[in-house]
Amino acid sequence: AQSVTQPDIHITVSEGASLELRCNYSYGATPYLFWYVQSPGQGLQLLLKYFSGDTLVQGIKGFEAEFKRSQSSFNLRKPSVHWSDAAEYFCAVGAQTGANNLFFGTGTRLTVIP
Amino acid sequence: EAGVAQSPRYKIIEKRQSVAFWCNPISGHATLYWYQQILGQGPKLLIQFQNNGVVDDSQLPKDRFSAERLKGVDSTLKIQPAKLEDSAVYLCASSPAGGNTIYFGEGSWLTVV
Repeated sequence: AQSVTQPDIHITVSEGASLELRCNYSYGATPYLFWYVQSPGQGLQLLLKYFSGDTLVQGIKGFEAEFKRSQSSFNLRKPSVHWSDAAEYFCAVGAQTGANNLFFGTGTRLTVIP
Repeated sequence: EAGVAQSPRYKIIEKRQSVAFWCNPISGHATLYWYQQILGQGPKLLIQFQNNGVVDDSQLPKDRFSAERLKGVDSTLKIQPAKLEDSAVYLCASSPAGGNTIYFGEGSWLTVV
C-alpha cells in the first residue's frame, strides 16, 4: 500500500537559516514525487516535482529536493529561509502508470522567526 | 492562464443541511479531482473524473456525498445531509490528459455546526 510519512509536524527556523523537510514514501511501483506548499487560507501550490532523471530537482522560490531511492526519501531543502516561507508543506506521491491521483503526507508546518 | 476556480470559498451550515461546491478546472484539462482536507491532515482523494467519466470514487462516502461532471468541464460536489465530521476544505484540482502534474484551486472551506 502506498503511504507518505512526514515525520516532523512542526519546524521552527530563524530567517536566513537553512531548512530541510523530511519525506519518506512507500510505494509499490516507481513513483512520481511532489512537494506542495499551502499558505493559510489558500490552496496547494506546486513547489517542485520528480519524475525521472537527475535526482536533484529545482523548484520555485529557491527550493530543491533530492530523490534517494535507497532511502525511499524525497527531502525538501532551502539554503536560506525567508519569512514569507512560513506555511504548511506537503509531500505527495503519485503513480507513473494508471490513475494519476496523489497520496499526501500529513504535512509539516514551518514557522520562521525573525 | 486561469487556474482552477472554486466557489463558494467559505460556507457554514448546520448539520443535516445540504451544501454544494462548484469547480471549473483549467481550460483543456481532461482530469478533475475532488480532495477533502481535514484540519491537520493532508488532502485525501474523494473522486477523480476523466472527462465526464468516473475513474476512482472508492473513498467517496456515497450515502451522503455525490459529484458530477456532466459535460466534461466543470463539476459539482454535493453533501446531503452534512455531518459535523464533514467540516473540512474541499479542494478541486485538474490535470491534462496523460499529464502527471495536478493543479489545485484555492479550496472551499466548509464548517458544519
